[in-house]
Amino acid sequence: EAAVTQSPRNKVTVTGGNVTLSCRQTNSHNYMYWYRQDTGHGLRLIHYSYGAGNLQIGDVPDGYKATRTTQEDFFLLLELASPSQTSLYFCASSDAGLANTGQLYFGEGSKLTVL
Amino acid sequence: GDQVEQSPSALSLHEGTGSALRCNFTTTMRAVQWFRKNSRGSLINLFYLASGTKENGRLKSAFDSKERYSTLHIRDAQLEDSGTYFCAAATGGYKVVFGSGTRLLVSP
Repeated sequence: EAAVTQSPRNKVTVTGGNVTLSCRQTNSHNYMYWYRQDTGHGLRLIHYSYGAGNLQIGDVPDGYKATRTTQEDFFLLLELASPSQTSLYFCASSDAGLANTGQLYFGEGSKLTVL
Repeated sequence: GDQVEQSPSALSLHEGTGSALRCNFTTTMRAVQWFRKNSRGSLINLFYLASGTKENGRLKSAFDSKERYSTLHIRDAQLEDSGTYFCAAATGGYKVVFGSGTRLLVSP
């Protein structure tokens, strides 16, 4: 079973604050993703990466930066947090794209509250 | 763009009963995955299908790429089945689209 670990699990910050969400996967997957999930919505893709040093823009990237420092580690950066970024964030990894038999494996989520 | 319509948005079941969740796709998908978000907020991987059906205990899922839908059947529902269920599907590459979720509440 793939292991994807997120930290912190809960974070409270103020408007304008600086937040870094961390994700580590230990199964040598090439692809990593950051999603946000809001009540009444499915998961929405923020950024993704298919390898160390690579970064691809997702569907809702505004206000977010990301960095893939190693194959294992993918970080989501909120440099000027806003209340609209209050959400539940999920990191995921896969060996290949979902359409190519690459199941998504999710971390346990990071709940961010921006006051 | 590619869309997923998930229904129902909310579902209430009594213990021991069953029902089905459905995702309709606006385009041909190559694979679908079903998840459950539990009370702790974790996403639990239920099924991955590229075609056909799979069964695991009281859950059964089907995927018909040609007819553009996938279903998740729950039978003999238990209290611990409560949560929000999502489908996710992909046409190709790394783009994945998610349904908006079905909130299931199982009551005694």
